[in-house]
Amino acid sequence: AQTVTQSQPEMSVQEAETVTLSCTYDTSESNYYLFWYKQPPSRQMILVIRQEAYKQQNATENRFSVNFQKAAKSFSLKISDSQLGDTAMYFCAFSANDYKLSFGAGTTVTVRA
Amino acid sequence: GAVVSQHPSWVICKSGTSVKIECRSLDFQATTMFWYRQFPKQSLMLMATSNEGSKATYEQGVEKDKFLINHASLTLSTLTVTSAHPEDSSFYICSAPNGRAYNEQFFGPGTRLTVL
Repeated sequence: AQTVTQSQPEMSVQEAETVTLSCTYDTSESNYYLFWYKQPPSRQMILVIRQEAYKQQNATENRFSVNFQKAAKSFSLKISDSQLGDTAMYFCAFSANDYKLSFGAGTTVTVRA
Repeated sequence: GAVVSQHPSWVICKSGTSVKIECRSLDFQATTMFWYRQFPKQSLMLMATSNEGSKATYEQGVEKDKFLINHASLTLSTLTVTSAHPEDSSFYICSAPNGRAYNEQFFGPGTRLTVL
């Protein structure tokens, strides 16, 4: 079974600053995918970024980037130039061949004006 | 991108009654859908995998007689909470794989169930 650990329940960041969310996972799978999802107050799950385990290059989507350390089983998310609209709960998630998603406990990010 | 809808978005029912929640993939076919339960400020907990044309697969600890899942077609899965009790009050979310690479899934907007 896969486990996903997010050790930061809450993070606060000033608008325009940078915040990094940590995530570690445990798996015996060799091929898998990692995701960061955002859940704003509307509770709609929104995909922020994804990473294929076989790719060494870290994924980037505009202001969002990841630091994927496969050997350490670490998958952190960096939000640059934070905006008020980034305020949400962020979930790290793991998926292998069966499409099932295993989620971390989540990190609540609050962006201060 | 692909869209997944859920109906209703919010339902209140009396204890002992049954409630049905629908999950539809609007512009793609989904042979598999997933149902999650989420308590306030907590993570999503996978309840079951809904399979078109076969029985649902339930996660450990989830009562299959309590949470009935039917995958009626390639675009519709339903979750029925039977004999609901206040402890069943929660936010229920469905998702469907996009059928392409990356194991990406599309999520419905969720259904808030309140059992009085």
